[in-house]
Amino acid sequence: DAKTTQPTSMDCAEGRAANLPCNHSTISGNEYVYWYRQIHSQGPQYIIHGLKNNETNEMASLIITEDRKSSTLILPHATLRDTAVYYCIAHPEPQGGSEKLVFGKGTKLTVNP
Amino acid sequence: DGGITQSPKYLFRKEGQNVTLSCEQNLNHDAMYWYRQDPGQGLRLIYYSQIVNDFQKGDIAEGYSVSREKKESFPLTVTSAQKNPTAFYLCASSILRPGLAFHGEQFFGPGTRLTVL
Repeated sequence: DAKTTQPTSMDCAEGRAANLPCNHSTISGNEYVYWYRQIHSQGPQYIIHGLKNNETNEMASLIITEDRKSSTLILPHATLRDTAVYYCIAHPEPQGGSEKLVFGKGTKLTVNP
Repeated sequence: DGGITQSPKYLFRKEGQNVTLSCEQNLNHDAMYWYRQDPGQGLRLIYYSQIVNDFQKGDIAEGYSVSREKKESFPLTVTSAQKNPTAFYLCASSILRPGLAFHGEQFFGPGTRLTVL
């Protein structure tokens, strides 16, 4: 898996967009970018993943730069419940085997009232 | 409701005792995983299993053992050989077949916090 770099922590005001950056400058062509989040003392939760194109689902949007060396997870209207550690992971497309995801330290996002 | 359950949520053991952490899933997932998380750190893979009666070591398997006798269950035993067992343990599962809607997504249980006294 390519190494990913994220800021240690970020703050966001409630109701505003939270933009979480991730650098993955050594990402290879077959590696997807996955985002998970972990609310305190719970198991991580899958958010979104993408390869080249921008992706959007009910939870978030994922913007991947054209050179794929970085990406941004966007929570459009952050709420207090979005306070969590957010993990960015670069991982090859599953080939039918089990997926050994590498979770780094992530970004601690604090949404303030 | 489908999901992954881990029990107990909190577990205390004396040093030198083996302890088994439970993980059950009713998602009909093929693969199951065990991770360890220390305070302020990311997750580290202990063991994983793709199929019943088969499992592979992850990055930090020493001092741990697992079994996969049923598709739904993947218990983890923390043995006395594990030098620093106090940690938060997370179990996860995933679908293996590519092409399905959530390929690559892992579903996590609520975790078990183990404290060795």
